[in-house]
Amino acid sequence: SQTIHQWPATLVQPVGSPLSLECTVEGTSNPNLYWYRQAAGRGLQLLFYSVGIGQISSEVPQNLSASRPQDRQFILSSKKLLLSDSGFYLCAWQGQNTEAFFGQGTRLTVV
Amino acid sequence: DQQVKQNSPSLSVQEGRISILNCDYTNSMFDYFLWYKKYPAEGPTFLISISSIKDKNEDGRFTVFLNKSAKHLSLHIVPSQPGDSAVYFCAATDSWGKFQFGAGTQVVVTP
Repeated sequence: SQTIHQWPATLVQPVGSPLSLECTVEGTSNPNLYWYRQAAGRGLQLLFYSVGIGQISSEVPQNLSASRPQDRQFILSSKKLLLSDSGFYLCAWQGQNTEAFFGQGTRLTVV
Repeated sequence: DQQVKQNSPSLSVQEGRISILNCDYTNSMFDYFLWYKKYPAEGPTFLISISSIKDKNEDGRFTVFLNKSAKHLSLHIVPSQPGDSAVYFCAATDSWGKFQFGAGTQVVVTP
């Protein structure tokens, strides 16, 4: 069966520090991968999505970037975090004609 | 531009009664609609979906209704239970492409 792993679960980082959140999927090949952010009082905002290795589409201009070095690995990064980057970050995968499945999320607090 | 809208940020319902959550969309190309449930500090989990060729889909206590002409869908939960207290997200997709999510509705089921 397919599983999605996302880590860390919580993270507290100072302003200006770098960020790296990792997501891996098991049990499927060539999934569509997504990074979402849920900010306080807001819905799920799509940040990046990827349909294959090295293929990244950015949905909103921001201080973040994403990479997909392997088929089932999706990384969210930042060179210098801002206070406004705080939020709950969710990785998700989607197979062919299926719903999206989410990881457990990462609570990022930038201080 | 928010293509999927949930205009009610919160809903309080008594245990045993019906919960009705509403969702509106603007993109006529959407052909598949989903509802997700999310507990605090967890990733959303898939609840129920409906294809645009149907107007109703039922799964146990959960029923989703779709009115394509009005670009409106709703989720009915009956009877509501305390464990249903969560944030519910409406989502839509065009041919199983990217998912667009609404802002969510916080449901609180009271005894």
